[in-house]
Amino acid sequence: QVQLVESGGGVVQPGRSLRLSCAASGFTFSSYAMHWVRQAPGKGLEWVAVISNDGGNKYYADSVKGRFTISRDNSKNTLYLQMNTLTAEDTAVYYCARERETEGCDYWGQGTLVTVSS
Amino acid sequence: DIQLTQSPSFLSASVGDRVTITCRASQGISSYLAWYQQKPGKAPELLIYAASTLQSGVPSRFSGSGSGTEFTLTISSLQPEDFATYYCQQLNSYPLTFGGGTKVEIK
Repeated sequence: QVQLVESGGGVVQPGRSLRLSCAASGFTFSSYAMHWVRQAPGKGLEWVAVISNDGGNKYYADSVKGRFTISRDNSKNTLYLQMNTLTAEDTAVYYCARERETEGCDYWGQGTLVTVSS
Repeated sequence: DIQLTQSPSFLSASVGDRVTITCRASQGISSYLAWYQQKPGKAPELLIYAASTLQSGVPSRFSGSGSGTEFTLTISSLQPEDFATYYCQQLNSYPLTFGGGTKVEIK
């Protein structure tokens, strides 16, 4: 069965960095584009970034462009999100999700909480 | 960027009610729209893709319609397990965007 398991969340000070990981299993990871989506406490969903199946194409939300980097290692079936220069507005649960060819995200991880606070 | 406006943002309904949620896009997105259901403390789940195609395993009381700039999600007969927050998402162009959400609560 398809599984996506995020890790790497925690409490971090403003201005610092954090790297999230998403371990995928149960499907051919290298065949799918992958997304990061976040949700601030009590708020709606916010799309963060996407990476194509081969890592050749990446797109970002304006709110994270230049600070966050999405990447993947298909040999390890793992998706990453490098987050730099974090601010309190980045506090959220971060989900990784599998895209099914412009149809939407059909599998999601359980999420990992990132709290940016001094 | 394409903005998605969902209405209403909150609705109170009873079991058995027919419920309709609207999602309007700031520009045409063809049928590149998905609907998700999210329950508290859980990840979203895909309900509808390509505006009107039911995701495998989703009950047939859920349906989607629309194209271009106006879309609807309909629940034909609300069940207790349907009380949740619903989001639309456009996949027409980057950056992808979500609607603000519609919280469906028990009347």
